[in-house]
Amino acid sequence: DGGITQSPKYLFRKEGQNVTLSCEQNLNHDAMYWYRQDPGQGLRLIYYSQIVNDFQKGDIAEGYSVSREKKESFPLTVTSAQKNPTAFYLCASSILAGEETQYFGPGTRLLVL
Amino acid sequence: AQSVTQLGSHVSVSEGALVLLRCNYSSSVPPYLFWYVQYPNQGLQLLLKYTSAATLVKGINGFEAEFKKSETSFHLTKPSAHMSDAAEYFCAVSERGGYQKVTFGTGTKLQVIP
Repeated sequence: DGGITQSPKYLFRKEGQNVTLSCEQNLNHDAMYWYRQDPGQGLRLIYYSQIVNDFQKGDIAEGYSVSREKKESFPLTVTSAQKNPTAFYLCASSILAGEETQYFGPGTRLLVL
Repeated sequence: AQSVTQLGSHVSVSEGALVLLRCNYSSSVPPYLFWYVQYPNQGLQLLLKYTSAATLVKGINGFEAEFKKSETSFHLTKPSAHMSDAAEYFCAVSERGGYQKVTFGTGTKLQVIP
């Protein structure tokens, strides 16, 4: 079955630590996205990538970094510069960027110890 | 710049009653419009999408939405609510032409009362 997987389901971060969230898709989609979801704020775009080896900042990129070395993979690193990382993180992909339907992974909940 | 406003962060309906979730959008060009559903601790799933083929769009699970340009609205409806419809619903907009990011609303949590 094709789809998007995210791991881990829950992630705990200690003070000053960088953590990496995994996102893999086998849908052969060109575009991939990372969103942050906080209660009452909907989804906010962190980074997006329209093609391999290329990515752009979204609305709230500070304190986050990404890479897109393979079409299937778009990992997100939450750095120690992100002072309020506790949130639900969603990865998505689409055939092309923009008007195409986005397909979402099950999410990773990041908590700070 | 595009934006979307969902009226009502929480909506409660009785089982069997009409479901109406409101969404108004702002866009400088003809938009693409989406409704997604999210069950607790899960990702989002597309319910339906407007791409200008027809103003009344039918989606999964008996939901539909009507694009009204004059009112800049894209409200989501279902004639009869079911307990399994309890979830959070997100309206989203994307502008046409090249790459345009998708902007999501803040969501409406639907409670279905037995």
